[in-house]
Amino acid sequence: QLVLTQSPSASASLGASVKLTCTLSSGHSSYAIAWHQQQPEKGPRYLMKLNSDGSHRKGDGIPDRFSGSSSGTERSLTISSLQSEDEADYYCQTWGTGLWVFGGGTRLTVL
Amino acid sequence: VQLLESGGGLVQPGGGSLRLSCAASGFTFGNYAMSWVRQAPGKGLEWVSTISDTGGSTYYADSVTGRFIISRDNSKNTLYLQMNSLRADDTAVYYCAKDPRIYASGAYYFDYWGQGTVVTVST
Repeated sequence: QLVLTQSPSASASLGASVKLTCTLSSGHSSYAIAWHQQQPEKGPRYLMKLNSDGSHRKGDGIPDRFSGSSSGTERSLTISSLQSEDEADYYCQTWGTGLWVFGGGTRLTVL
Repeated sequence: VQLLESGGGLVQPGGGSLRLSCAASGFTFGNYAMSWVRQAPGKGLEWVSTISDTGGSTYYADSVTGRFIISRDNSKNTLYLQMNSLRADDTAVYYCAKDPRIYASGAYYFDYWGQGTVVTVST
Protein backbone atom coordinates (compact mmCIF):
# COMPACT_ATOMS: atom_id res chain seq x y z
CA GLN A 1 0.00 0.00 0.00
CA LEU A 2 1.31 3.39 -1.04
CA VAL A 3 1.52 5.60 2.05
CA LEU A 4 3.40 8.81 2.88
CA THR A 5 4.40 9.57 6.46
CA GLN A 6 5.28 13.04 7.77
CA SER A 7 6.01 14.34 11.25
CA PRO A 8 3.08 16.49 12.42
CA SER A 9 5.20 19.45 13.47
CA ALA A 10 8.60 21.09 13.20
CA SER A 11 10.12 24.34 14.35
CA ALA A 12 13.21 26.38 13.66
CA SER A 13 14.47 29.90 14.26
CA LEU A 14 14.26 32.83 11.91
CA GLY A 15 17.30 32.76 9.61
CA ALA A 16 18.12 29.13 10.35
CA SER A 17 17.59 26.04 8.21
CA VAL A 18 15.10 23.23 8.63
CA LYS A 19 14.74 19.82 6.99
CA LEU A 20 11.29 18.29 6.62
CA THR A 21 11.05 14.61 5.75
CA CYS A 22 8.42 12.54 3.98
CA THR A 23 8.78 8.76 4.10
CA LEU A 24 7.38 6.44 1.45
CA SER A 25 6.00 3.08 2.48
CA SER A 26 8.22 0.04 2.14
CA GLY A 27 8.75 -1.12 -1.42
CA HIS A 28 8.23 2.29 -2.97
CA SER A 29 11.77 3.67 -2.90
CA SER A 30 11.71 4.48 -6.64
CA TYR A 31 8.73 6.79 -6.38
CA ALA A 32 8.93 10.52 -6.94
CA ILE A 33 6.97 12.92 -4.79
CA ALA A 34 5.90 16.54 -4.91
CA TRP A 35 6.09 19.08 -2.08
CA HIS A 36 3.33 21.63 -1.57
CA GLN A 37 3.21 24.57 0.85
CA GLN A 38 0.02 25.89 2.41
CA GLN A 39 0.25 29.19 4.24
CA PRO A 40 -2.50 30.01 6.75
CA GLU A 41 -5.89 30.60 5.16
CA LYS A 42 -4.54 30.09 1.64
CA GLY A 43 -4.69 27.44 -1.04
CA PRO A 44 -1.72 25.10 -1.48
CA ARG A 45 1.25 26.12 -3.61
CA TYR A 46 3.41 23.68 -5.53
CA LEU A 47 7.07 23.83 -4.46
CA MET A 48 8.85 21.05 -6.32
CA LYS A 49 8.80 17.57 -7.76
CA LEU A 50 11.49 15.44 -6.12
CA ASN A 51 12.78 12.28 -7.81
CA SER A 52 14.31 9.23 -6.16
CA ASP A 53 17.79 10.28 -7.29
CA GLY A 54 17.43 13.66 -5.58
CA SER A 55 16.92 15.67 -8.75
CA HIS A 56 14.10 18.13 -8.48
CA ARG A 57 12.04 20.53 -10.54
CA LYS A 58 10.74 23.62 -8.79
CA GLY A 59 7.58 25.53 -9.41
CA ASP A 60 7.46 29.04 -10.82
CA GLY A 61 9.00 31.62 -8.53
CA ILE A 62 10.16 29.21 -5.83
CA PRO A 63 13.32 30.71 -4.31
CA ASP A 64 16.67 28.95 -4.12
CA ARG A 65 16.21 28.68 -0.33
CA PHE A 66 14.03 25.65 -1.01
CA SER A 67 15.85 22.46 -1.99
CA GLY A 68 15.14 18.75 -2.02
CA SER A 69 17.03 15.52 -1.42
CA SER A 70 16.30 11.79 -1.46
CA SER A 71 17.66 8.75 0.36
CA GLY A 72 15.98 5.36 0.11
CA THR A 73 12.34 5.91 0.95
CA GLU A 74 12.95 9.34 2.45
CA ARG A 75 12.20 12.51 0.51
CA SER A 76 13.30 15.71 2.21
CA LEU A 77 12.63 19.39 1.81
CA THR A 78 15.24 21.77 3.19
CA ILE A 79 14.43 25.43 3.72
CA SER A 80 17.41 27.66 4.43
CA SER A 81 17.50 31.24 5.72
CA LEU A 82 14.04 30.80 7.21
CA GLN A 83 11.68 33.73 6.88
CA SER A 84 8.45 34.44 8.69
CA GLU A 85 6.41 33.68 5.57
CA ASP A 86 7.79 30.12 5.57
CA GLU A 87 5.56 29.37 8.56
CA ALA A 88 3.06 27.06 6.91
CA ASP A 89 1.88 23.50 6.48
CA TYR A 90 3.96 21.38 4.12
CA TYR A 91 2.46 18.38 2.33
CA CYS A 92 4.16 15.71 0.31
CA GLN A 93 2.23 13.95 -2.44
CA THR A 94 2.85 10.94 -4.61
CA TRP A 95 0.96 8.93 -7.19
CA GLY A 96 0.44 5.47 -8.60
CA THR A 97 -1.88 3.78 -11.08
CA GLY A 98 -5.20 5.54 -10.55
CA LEU A 99 -4.02 6.70 -7.17
CA TRP A 100 -3.16 10.11 -5.71
CA VAL A 101 -1.76 10.11 -2.17
CA PHE A 102 -0.97 12.90 0.30
CA GLY A 103 1.04 12.75 3.47
CA GLY A 104 -0.57 14.05 6.64
CA GLY A 105 1.38 17.30 6.51
CA THR A 106 3.99 18.98 8.71
CA ARG A 107 3.22 22.27 10.39
CA LEU A 108 6.36 24.41 10.44
CA THR A 109 6.69 27.08 13.10
CA VAL A 110 9.29 29.81 12.63
CA LEU A 111 10.49 30.95 16.05
CA VAL B 1 -2.24 30.52 -14.47
CA GLN B 2 -5.35 31.24 -12.47
CA LEU B 3 -7.88 28.78 -11.06
CA LEU B 4 -11.01 30.24 -9.48
CA GLU B 5 -13.44 27.95 -7.71
CA SER B 6 -17.07 28.79 -7.00
CA GLY B 7 -20.34 27.14 -6.10
CA GLY B 8 -19.72 26.20 -2.49
CA GLY B 9 -22.31 26.76 0.23
CA LEU B 10 -24.39 25.27 3.00
CA VAL B 11 -26.45 22.18 2.22
CA GLN B 12 -28.41 19.78 4.37
CA PRO B 13 -27.21 16.19 4.74
CA GLY B 14 -29.07 13.19 3.46
CA GLY B 15 -29.63 13.98 -0.18
CA GLY B 16 -28.46 17.51 -0.73
CA SER B 17 -26.55 18.41 -3.90
CA LEU B 18 -24.10 21.08 -5.03
CA ARG B 19 -22.24 21.80 -8.23
CA LEU B 20 -18.78 23.30 -7.95
CA SER B 21 -17.08 25.13 -10.81
CA CYS B 22 -13.46 26.03 -11.45
CA ALA B 23 -12.77 28.72 -14.04
CA ALA B 24 -9.30 28.43 -15.53
CA SER B 25 -7.21 31.04 -17.30
CA GLY B 26 -3.61 31.68 -18.32
CA PHE B 27 -3.06 28.34 -20.01
CA THR B 28 -4.63 26.14 -22.70
CA PHE B 29 -7.17 24.46 -20.44
CA GLY B 30 -8.13 21.69 -22.84
CA ASN B 31 -4.57 20.34 -22.94
CA TYR B 32 -4.32 19.39 -19.26
CA ALA B 33 -5.85 16.94 -16.84
CA MET B 34 -7.56 18.60 -13.88
CA SER B 35 -8.42 17.48 -10.37
CA TRP B 36 -10.42 18.26 -7.26
CA VAL B 37 -8.76 18.00 -3.84
CA ARG B 38 -10.50 18.73 -0.55
CA GLN B 39 -9.51 19.67 2.98
CA ALA B 40 -11.81 19.05 5.93
CA PRO B 41 -11.64 21.61 8.77
CA GLY B 42 -8.33 21.25 10.59
CA LYS B 43 -7.30 18.26 8.48
CA GLY B 44 -4.91 17.51 5.64
CA LEU B 45 -5.38 17.33 1.89
CA GLU B 46 -7.45 14.54 0.34
CA TRP B 47 -7.59 13.79 -3.38
CA VAL B 48 -11.20 13.59 -4.63
CA SER B 49 -11.31 13.19 -8.41
CA THR B 50 -9.38 13.69 -11.66
CA ILE B 51 -10.42 14.08 -15.29
CA SER B 52 -8.18 13.75 -18.34
CA ASP B 53 -7.60 16.56 -20.84
CA THR B 54 -10.38 15.41 -23.18
CA GLY B 55 -12.72 14.24 -20.44
CA GLY B 56 -12.49 10.69 -21.69
CA SER B 57 -11.02 9.32 -18.45
CA THR B 58 -12.20 10.01 -14.94
CA TYR B 59 -10.98 8.81 -11.55
CA TYR B 60 -12.58 8.98 -8.11
CA ALA B 61 -11.61 8.40 -4.52
CA ASP B 62 -13.48 5.51 -2.90
CA SER B 63 -15.13 7.97 -0.49
CA VAL B 64 -16.99 9.75 -3.32
CA THR B 65 -17.45 7.06 -5.96
CA GLY B 66 -21.09 6.83 -7.00
CA ARG B 67 -21.96 10.20 -5.45
CA PHE B 68 -19.71 12.76 -7.19
CA ILE B 69 -19.27 13.36 -10.92
CA ILE B 70 -16.35 15.28 -12.42
CA SER B 71 -16.72 16.90 -15.81
CA ARG B 72 -15.28 19.70 -17.90
CA ASP B 73 -16.25 22.08 -20.68
CA ASN B 74 -13.11 22.89 -22.64
CA SER B 75 -14.95 25.51 -24.69
CA LYS B 76 -15.64 27.41 -21.47
CA ASN B 77 -12.30 26.64 -19.76
CA THR B 78 -14.25 25.31 -16.80
CA LEU B 79 -14.00 22.26 -14.55
CA TYR B 80 -17.02 20.98 -12.60
CA LEU B 81 -17.78 18.72 -9.66
CA GLN B 82 -21.38 17.58 -9.24
CA MET B 83 -21.80 16.50 -5.63
CA ASN B 84 -24.86 14.38 -4.77
CA SER B 85 -26.04 12.60 -1.63
CA LEU B 86 -23.89 14.88 0.46
CA ARG B 87 -22.88 13.78 3.96
CA ALA B 88 -21.48 15.64 6.94
CA ASP B 89 -18.02 14.24 6.25
CA ASP B 90 -18.01 15.94 2.83
CA THR B 91 -17.67 19.26 4.67
CA ALA B 92 -14.42 20.76 3.42
CA VAL B 93 -12.70 23.38 1.34
CA TYR B 94 -12.62 22.11 -2.23
CA TYR B 95 -9.65 23.04 -4.41
CA CYS B 96 -9.17 22.53 -8.11
CA ALA B 97 -5.66 21.69 -9.25
CA LYS B 98 -3.84 21.35 -12.56
CA ASP B 99 -1.64 18.53 -13.87
CA PRO B 100 1.67 19.80 -15.32
CA ARG B 101 1.77 17.42 -18.31
CA ILE B 102 0.31 18.23 -21.68
CA TYR B 103 -2.05 15.70 -23.32
CA ALA B 104 -1.65 13.24 -20.46
CA SER B 105 -3.90 11.13 -18.31
CA GLY B 106 -3.36 9.08 -15.18
CA ALA B 107 -1.99 10.03 -11.82
CA TYR B 108 0.67 12.69 -11.36
CA TYR B 109 1.30 15.73 -9.20
CA PHE B 110 -0.30 19.19 -9.26
CA ASP B 111 1.56 22.32 -10.33
CA TYR B 112 -1.14 24.95 -9.77
CA TRP B 113 -3.94 25.23 -7.24
CA GLY B 114 -6.95 27.45 -6.76
CA GLN B 115 -7.93 29.27 -3.58
CA GLY B 116 -10.80 26.93 -2.80
CA THR B 117 -14.55 27.06 -2.19
CA VAL B 118 -16.17 26.06 1.10
CA VAL B 119 -18.78 23.31 1.26
CA THR B 120 -20.65 22.82 4.53
CA VAL B 121 -23.02 19.90 4.97
CA SER B 122 -25.05 20.49 8.10
CA THR B 123 -28.52 21.02 9.50
